[in-house]
Amino acid sequence: KNQVEQSPQSLIILEGKNCTLQCNYTVSPFSNLRWYKQDTGRGPVSLTIMTFSENTKSNGRYTATLDADTKQSSLHITASQLSDSASYICVVSSGYSTLTFGKGTMLLVSP
Amino acid sequence: GAGVSQTPSNKVTEKGKYVELRCDPISGHTALYWYRQSLGQGPEFLIYFQGTGAADDSGLPNDRFFAVRPEGSVSTLKIQRTERGDSAVYLCASSQVASGVNTGELFFGEGSRLTVL
Repeated sequence: KNQVEQSPQSLIILEGKNCTLQCNYTVSPFSNLRWYKQDTGRGPVSLTIMTFSENTKSNGRYTATLDADTKQSSLHITASQLSDSASYICVVSSGYSTLTFGKGTMLLVSP
Repeated sequence: GAGVSQTPSNKVTEKGKYVELRCDPISGHTALYWYRQSLGQGPEFLIYFQGTGAADDSGLPNDRFFAVRPEGSVSTLKIQRTERGDSAVYLCASSQVASGVNTGELFFGEGSRLTVL
């Protein structure tokens, strides 16, 4: 069964600090991996999309890494801001309609 | 429209009633997805449309759930004889091309929060 596991489940950091969120997956076949940010009460918004051949991709203060061999991805947030407080969801695609979602990591950035 | 629009944003109904949730995707997007998200969980796949046809409805939990997209644009998710367990946020997403085969961006609406009393 395709699965996406995220850790930690929740995280509190001080404003200005960095943090790294983890995503492990057992999805086959692999097509691409996405990170989404979901603010409370809102729909998810895409941060990055990574294909098999991509190891690192940045989007502003967000940097995602992908190790297709170990089936792991991370999302690194630099110089966190209060507006970064949200749920971050890892999604792995293995076909036209097969998107496997993780449960998300709830990040709270404290002033 | 500028983004994926979902209506209603909130729906409260009684157990046993019929509910319709509407999704208006981004203009020109051929792929449309419905997901259900419970509190503290990631979205769960329900159904995927490519154009007017349901290409994959394997996520629909039972025959009380049905979705249509008659003209390949707006989609309606229909829930019959609602149960308390149907309470969740129902998310719609659209993409210009089918996800997975390429890196087509998936755009989500704000969701319809359904509460069944």
